[in-house]
Amino acid sequence: EPEVTQTPSHQVTQMGQEVILRCVPISNHLYFYWYRQILGQKVEFLVSFYNNEISEKSEIFDDQFSVERPDGSNFTLKIRSTKLEDSAMYFCASSAQGVGTFGSGTRLTVV
Amino acid sequence: RKEVEQDPGPFNVPEGATVAFNCTYSNSASQSFFWYRQDCRKEPKLLMSVYSSGNEDGRFTAQLNRASQYISLLIRDSKLSDSATYLCVVNIVDSNYQLIWGAGTKLIIKP
Repeated sequence: EPEVTQTPSHQVTQMGQEVILRCVPISNHLYFYWYRQILGQKVEFLVSFYNNEISEKSEIFDDQFSVERPDGSNFTLKIRSTKLEDSAMYFCASSAQGVGTFGSGTRLTVV
Repeated sequence: RKEVEQDPGPFNVPEGATVAFNCTYSNSASQSFFWYRQDCRKEPKLLMSVYSSGNEDGRFTAQLNRASQYISLLIRDSKLSDSATYLCVVNIVDSNYQLIWGAGTKLIIKP
């Protein structure tokens, strides 16, 4: 069964540093998403991406965040100047249309 | 009022019992509805979509009540492996991409 692959599975970074979370969506999918889930809280939408541009973004997705599809396979989330409250699980998802298939997530810990 | 509300539980249910939980949504323009399952520290996985006519998949039955703005999930003959958090997810009509997530209902099946 096709999978969405995320790397790394766990990232520890110092406050103020930049991190890049990587995702390889399912190959024939056209829509890409990032979500985050702070421990014990609900899943929150960050951004969706289609046709090489952002389709929608939430209030959480401010100037600190950016997404890129640098090549035909990867989809990245960059978080600049990380804060303690950015610590969360970050899930990538992709879809042909409609709901997405989720990757196993990257646990980001900001110390 | 929260956009998507669920009883957080936990629901403690003996193996073999039937359990049901509801999810209410506030936006009457909501178009698509889903139940996801999330195991501890894992990614959400689509359990089933919820259609206007209701749908059934083995021991699982999902219903939609548009008039009262809620969806339900019924699990029959519950198994130990059904223990998880069940997330209600809603997609609104003017947004093709953004999914609104409930905080989840925790289900614990006891032997």
